[in-house]
Amino acid sequence: QSALTQPASVSGSPGQSMTVSCTGTSSDIGLYDRVSWYQQHPGKGPKLMIYEVSKRPSGVSSRFSGSKSGNTASLTISGLQAEDEADYYCFSFTSTSSHYVFGTGTKVTV
Amino acid sequence: EVQLVESGGGLVQPGGSLRLSCTVSGFTSSTYWMCWVRQAPGKGLEWVANINQDGSEKHYGDSVKGRFTISRDNAKNSLYLQMDSLRDEDTAVYYCARDNHWSADQWGQGTLVTVSS
Repeated sequence: QSALTQPASVSGSPGQSMTVSCTGTSSDIGLYDRVSWYQQHPGKGPKLMIYEVSKRPSGVSSRFSGSKSGNTASLTISGLQAEDEADYYCFSFTSTSSHYVFGTGTKVTV
Repeated sequence: EVQLVESGGGLVQPGGSLRLSCTVSGFTSSTYWMCWVRQAPGKGLEWVANINQDGSEKHYGDSVKGRFTISRDNAKNSLYLQMDSLRDEDTAVYYCARDNHWSADQWGQGTLVTVSS
């Protein structure tokens, strides 16, 4: 099972909106609503930002939202802030023997 | 407060073995699936393995299948990862995490495993 495909980097200005894409296949993103997104700042552990495609854990800013269309999931960050600068990873359950798969990761620069 | 604390990392030679532990507190671990995720230096996240509440169901990533074994001791609120036949490419920070709603919603701080001669 290959990793889900994400853009290597995305940049935006403070206050703007930004979308990070995550492309999989009909065996993972296209088959299940079991996509989550993680934020990771340098030297830190990952933090869950979105689960089950579009649900936000308690304490996560409403500026973060998730969606899915076909085999592609998306994370949207609205009202970009300097603290949003980090690496972001998507993650999906898969019907293959791999069971779960991460995305390749996207460096978001504000 | 939810806490997951990994231990057991270190330097090991290729072909060697290492056992990682993760002690959890702040929630009833026996009611959750648990998992291990790793991150090689400068690389992305890789899912390693997960285990169900009573340890009867386990799943592994393709790269560790047959070499790593996940287990748990609910009486000790602990999760383990037995790593055998270690390779250079297994060098990574290993995180334990709570597996909830098909996502990892609580994470430890990670423990570094270095495989090198």
